[in-house]
Amino acid sequence: AQTVTQSQPEMSVQEAETVTLSCTYDTSENNYYLFWYKQPPSRQMILVIRQEAYKQQNATENRFSVNFQKAAKSFSLKISDSQLGDTAMYFCAFMKLQGAGSYQLTFGKGTKLSVIP
Amino acid sequence: DVKVTQSSRYLVKRTGEKVFLECVQDMDHENMFWYRQDPGLGLRLIYFSYDVKMKEKGDIPEGYSVSREKKERFSLILESASTNQTSMYLCASSFWLAGASYNEQFFGPGTRLTVL
Repeated sequence: AQTVTQSQPEMSVQEAETVTLSCTYDTSENNYYLFWYKQPPSRQMILVIRQEAYKQQNATENRFSVNFQKAAKSFSLKISDSQLGDTAMYFCAFMKLQGAGSYQLTFGKGTKLSVIP
Repeated sequence: DVKVTQSSRYLVKRTGEKVFLECVQDMDHENMFWYRQDPGLGLRLIYFSYDVKMKEKGDIPEGYSVSREKKERFSLILESASTNQTSMYLCASSFWLAGASYNEQFFGPGTRLTVL
């Protein structure tokens, strides 16, 4: 079974600064996807960024980028130029592509990020 | 835009009641999922369905059942609600496309259920 660990239950960052959220995972799979989801207060969960394990290049989406270290099983999220609207719970998630449980998401416990004006 | 809707944002029920949580998606997605979200525990999968009338147990199916009679609708049923089922319930849906990166899940707004 896969496990996803987010070691930072809460973090805060000043507006316009950069923050990095950590995520590690444990799997014996070689082919999988990783995701970061964002859940703003009282709002719907939305996808921030995805990474295919077979791609060496780190994914980027505007101010959001990841540092994917496959050998270390690490998948951190960097938010640049933090904005007040980035305040949210952030969940790291793993998806395997083969075998039992494929195409299901395994979530970490989340990191609550607060952006301070 | 994909839209996943859930029948209620807030629900209060009594112990022993039968509770129905409804989820509807408008993007013809094959897969639908029910999660519960608890502080400090993240999201845990209760059940999922990959086709009409098909269902698979997730990590915490005890005390729950599901129904999928139409492709767009996935219901979560608490046969006899208990206080330990007080939680936030999230529904999600996704395409089924083997090997594709577009298997991301789209989430509904959630139902906060309180069982007294």
